[in-house]
Amino acid sequence: KQEVTQIPAALSVPEGENLVLNCSFTDSAIYNLQWFRQDPGKGLTSLLLIQSSQREQTSGRLNASLDKSSGRSTLYIAASQPGDSATYLCAVNTGTASKLTFGTGTRLQVTL
Amino acid sequence: ETGVTQTPRHLVMGMTNKKSLKCEQHLGHNAMYWYKQSAKKPLELMFVYSLEERVENNSVPSRFSPECPNSSHLFLHLHTLQPEDSALYLCASSGTGNTEAFFGQGTRLTVV
Repeated sequence: KQEVTQIPAALSVPEGENLVLNCSFTDSAIYNLQWFRQDPGKGLTSLLLIQSSQREQTSGRLNASLDKSSGRSTLYIAASQPGDSATYLCAVNTGTASKLTFGTGTRLQVTL
Repeated sequence: ETGVTQTPRHLVMGMTNKKSLKCEQHLGHNAMYWYKQSAKKPLELMFVYSLEERVENNSVPSRFSPECPNSSHLFLHLHTLQPEDSALYLCASSGTGNTEAFFGQGTRLTVV
C-alpha cells in the first residue's frame, strides 16, 4: 500500500527566505506526482504536476523535483512571501485515473 | 463559472436526515472523484467515476451513495450519517489517463 510522508509538518520562515518542502513515498511505481496548496477551510489548488518520466517542473517561484527511484520529491519556493502561507500537500498517482494518495501536508507560515 | 464548483459550501445535518452534495465541473473532463478530509488525517479517496462509470469504491460505508448522471456532474447522497462523518468533502475532476486533477472548494459537513 502506497504511503506518502511530508516533512516537516510545520514550518515558519521570514519573508524573502528560500525554502524546501519534502515528500517521500513508499512505492516508486507511480504515474505522476502533484503538489497542491490548501488555504484554511478551502479546497486544493494545483501547483505543479510532474509525470513519472520527468525530473522537475517549474512555475514562477516554484520548482518541484522528482526522484522516482528513491521515492522522493521536493518543492522549492524562492523568495517566500506572506501570501505563500498555506498548507502544501503532495500526492502521488498510482492508478490509471487520477487516484491520488496524499501526505498529511506541510503547514507553512511566512512572517513579515 | 469555471473549474470545479461544489454546493453547498457548508452543511449541518442530523443523523436521521438525508442530504446530497453536488459537484459540477466546467473543464471538459471525463473523470470525477470524491475525497474526504478529516482533521489530522490525509485526504482519503472515496469514489472514482470514469466516463460516468464507477471504477473505484474504497470500502466506503453504504450511508454514502454516489451518483454520476453525466460527465459534468457528480453527487454524493448522504443518509443516517454518524458524527464521525463530519469532515470536508472534496470533489475533483481530471481527464482520463495520468492528467492533472483539479479540486473544488469543498463542502464542510457537520453531523449533529
